[in-house]
This record gives sequence, structure tokens and C-alpha cells, in this order.
Amino acid sequence: DAGVIQSPRHEVTEMGQEVTLRCKPISGHDYLFWYRQTMMRGLELLIYFNNNVPIDDSGMPEDRFSAKMPNASFSTLKIQPSEPRDSAVYFCASRARTGRWVSPLHFGNGTRLTVT
Amino acid sequence: ILNVEQSPQSLHVQEGDSTNFTCSFPSSNFYALHWYRWETAKSPEALFVMTLNGDEKKKGRISATLNTKEGYSYLYIKGSQPEDSATYLCASLGGGADGLTFGKGTHLIIQP
Repeated sequence: DAGVIQSPRHEVTEMGQEVTLRCKPISGHDYLFWYRQTMMRGLELLIYFNNNVPIDDSGMPEDRFSAKMPNASFSTLKIQPSEPRDSAVYFCASRARTGRWVSPLHFGNGTRLTVT
Repeated sequence: ILNVEQSPQSLHVQEGDSTNFTCSFPSSNFYALHWYRWETAKSPEALFVMTLNGDEKKKGRISATLNTKEGYSYLYIKGSQPEDSATYLCASLGGGADGLTFGKGTHLIIQP
């Protein structure tokens, strides 16, 4: 298995531009999570999906952030318009449903976003 | 939102020495406690998932214990090696939600 695949690895954009981050979870995993990593706050959960349905988006910081999962093999996290304080590493992770409480997260390599 | 705390924030250990660090989490509505190892320029990788009070897990020189009644877990590394240098994250699953809440990690540096 190729693992969780995120793209792009690095994104540099100017303030006000739209940014789209992409994620392909591990095949057969029913849960998909988006996390943001910053020095100040560590790994924060933004939103997660179960069977392509958004379950909890309470971690999404503002209306500028949106996430979709149109099918079981693809998810996007969009920021529009982007701001310098959005600069962070964004991780996607997936998890199997089997053994719900004991299944570990499998992380992608992350997207390092820099907004200038 | 769960509050997961890890200590110390960073730790310098001499090669060959053993070490341990702590994760504290809310004991109410507890479901599971995860430990992850995160090496620089890589993504976090799961070490252990524990659910039962008194649970102990071991993988090579690394082991972990869990106390769900008082809300803490310890991670132990025996005979530290340079390749153990990484950030160790713990995360709690509870409150009826499926999203893990992570601590900020313990950054471990093994000095040769």
C-alpha cells in the first residue's frame, strides 16, 4: 500500500489567494482526518469524515476554511482567501473502522503552506 | 475539547541511558490512548494504542503503561540510541468523538 498521499508537499502563496490541499487516504479506510501543525498549538484537529460524510468540523478556524470528500479516495482542504497566519503544516490521516478504538492513524507526509 | 498534556517539553539524554516521559489526559469518558513517534522531516508513526487500565505495551526497547483512573501514561525507552531521537506524541480518544486530541509532544535528543 502506498500509504496516505498528500499533495502538494510545499505550497507558497500570496495573501488573498485560494489554496487547495489534496489527500488520498489508504484504500479501505473509512475515516479521514485533517490536522494542522503549528509551533504554538501543536497538532490540531480541523475536521474529520466518516464514509465521506463530515462528522465534526468544530476545529475549522474560520469560514475561510472548507473541506470536502467527494468519494472514498479523495479529500480536499481549501482556504479562501488565505492569510499569513494560515502558514503551517497540514496533515491528512486515515484510519480503518475495524477495531474503531484501537486503530491507529496513518499520516500523510503533510503539506507545508507558507502564505506571504 | 480534551486537554492532553505532555512533559517534559524536551529532553536531552546520553546514549545508553534509559528515560521516560509522561502524558496526562482526562480520565472521564476515556476510550483510548495513542503514542506516536515523529522523526524530523517525516510524518508521525504509531507506536502503541492502549485502552485498558493497567495496560502495558512493548516494542523492542520502548514500552508504555496506562492508568485510566488517574489519567496518565508513561513512555519508557531503555538504553537510548541516537535513532531514538524524535518527538513523541500522545493522543487521547474520548468524549464520544472519533478525533484524537494530541499533546504537544516531548522532543527527545539522544547525545552520543
